[in-house]
Amino acid sequence: GQQLNQSPQSMFIQEGEDVSMNCTSSSIFNTWLWYKQDPGEGPVLLIALYKAGELTSNGRLTAQFGITRKDSFLNISASIPSDVGIYFCAGTGNQFYFGTGTSLTVIP
Amino acid sequence: DAGVIQSPRHEVTEMGQEVTLRCKPISGHNSLFWYRQTMMRGLELLIYFNNNVPIDDSGMPEDRFSAKMPNASFSTLKIQPSEPRDSAVYFCASRDVTRTDPLYGYTFGSGTRLTVV
Repeated sequence: GQQLNQSPQSMFIQEGEDVSMNCTSSSIFNTWLWYKQDPGEGPVLLIALYKAGELTSNGRLTAQFGITRKDSFLNISASIPSDVGIYFCAGTGNQFYFGTGTSLTVIP
Repeated sequence: DAGVIQSPRHEVTEMGQEVTLRCKPISGHNSLFWYRQTMMRGLELLIYFNNNVPIDDSGMPEDRFSAKMPNASFSTLKIQPSEPRDSAVYFCASRDVTRTDPLYGYTFGSGTRLTVV
């Protein structure tokens, strides 16, 4: 099925640094979602974006719905150790399609 | 709200054995999804149900896999016979499809880690 490409695949950063990751697709989506998966758990929804160009924040997280509706970006400011995990984007049309994931490691 | 409940959390079985994974969706959610997660392939949608009816099973890898949803509060994913390449984490998710706002749905369970030896 459809798959969204995320980059980077993995990141190793120092605590306090900002993080940027993105997600691209060959298809247009109506909604973009960002999830975080902690080790041993299922993905949990962080942010939802509903229209092209939208910029939404949730605490230290900021996400944007690309103008072309084929991409989305997630930024995390001032990273902390508990930010560690795998971040997935998801696009919705008739179904949910998940990205390949970005693994984040925060070094204290 | 207890969330989506999956059992067992871990399953280790020998090749050739039958494996049954269970899922209880959130009460009131009318859509249920089974996913498989591996390092190589990420999250793959296997099958999903709307109102207990299978809608799309194109992601089911082969005939060894089957899924049922006998009622609104229970679903199973069965693998028979199991093979080592089936080793993965299997997630169940549920959603209220009548709500257009994604924030109201698509909740994942904690997953079942399956190891076939």
